[in-house]
Amino acid sequence: AQSVTQPDIHITVSEGASLELRCNYSYGATPYLFWYVQSPGQGLQLLLKYFSGDTLVQGIKGFEAEFKRSQSSFNLRKPSVHWSDAAEYFCAVGARTGNQFYFGTGTSLTVIP
Amino acid sequence: DADVTQTPRNRITKTGKRIMLECSQTKGHDRMYWYRQDPGLGLRLIYYSFDVKDINKGEISDGYSVSRQAQAKFSLSLESAIPNQTALYFCATSDPRRGASSSYNEQFFGPGTRLTVL
Repeated sequence: AQSVTQPDIHITVSEGASLELRCNYSYGATPYLFWYVQSPGQGLQLLLKYFSGDTLVQGIKGFEAEFKRSQSSFNLRKPSVHWSDAAEYFCAVGARTGNQFYFGTGTSLTVIP
Repeated sequence: DADVTQTPRNRITKTGKRIMLECSQTKGHDRMYWYRQDPGLGLRLIYYSFDVKDINKGEISDGYSVSRQAQAKFSLSLESAIPNQTALYFCATSDPRRGASSSYNEQFFGPGTRLTVL
């Protein structure tokens, strides 16, 4: 069965520190992988996505993620966190047929001064 | 103007009432989706539609129904609302056409509707 696991429910980092949010997936074929961010009171905005090719993908707002097939992971990273990055982050896996998306339960990020 | 809009943005209702949440999009996408978001559970798919004549149940369709009135409109109904349907509801769209653009298969979300059932 398809599933997405985000093992960290909540993470707190200091402004300027590096960040890594973990995402592991279970999927029967090569998936499409996504990271979305949800700011308080807002909808979901796409940060980045992986379809094929280079396994290190760059996104908006200085985020990047690396697809590791052997580990079934797609971790999100940012070298220096800004206070405005405080939000909830969702990893998602999509079928290549495009008919289903599976979301993780989300990681809430708090940024302290 | 927003590409995916949802109305209402907030709604408080009572147990047993019929509620309709509406979603409209100007992206020209064939595929539309309804999700609910609950704390600690992430987003779960309620229904999805590949075109006006193709509607499919998602993971948690019990207690919900949908209507795809046109390519641009996809409504979610709660026939008899109950308190455990209190949640944040999101509509999304996607374009399945390979090569259509770099947004192939990406889902675009509306701002959400916060529904409270008392």
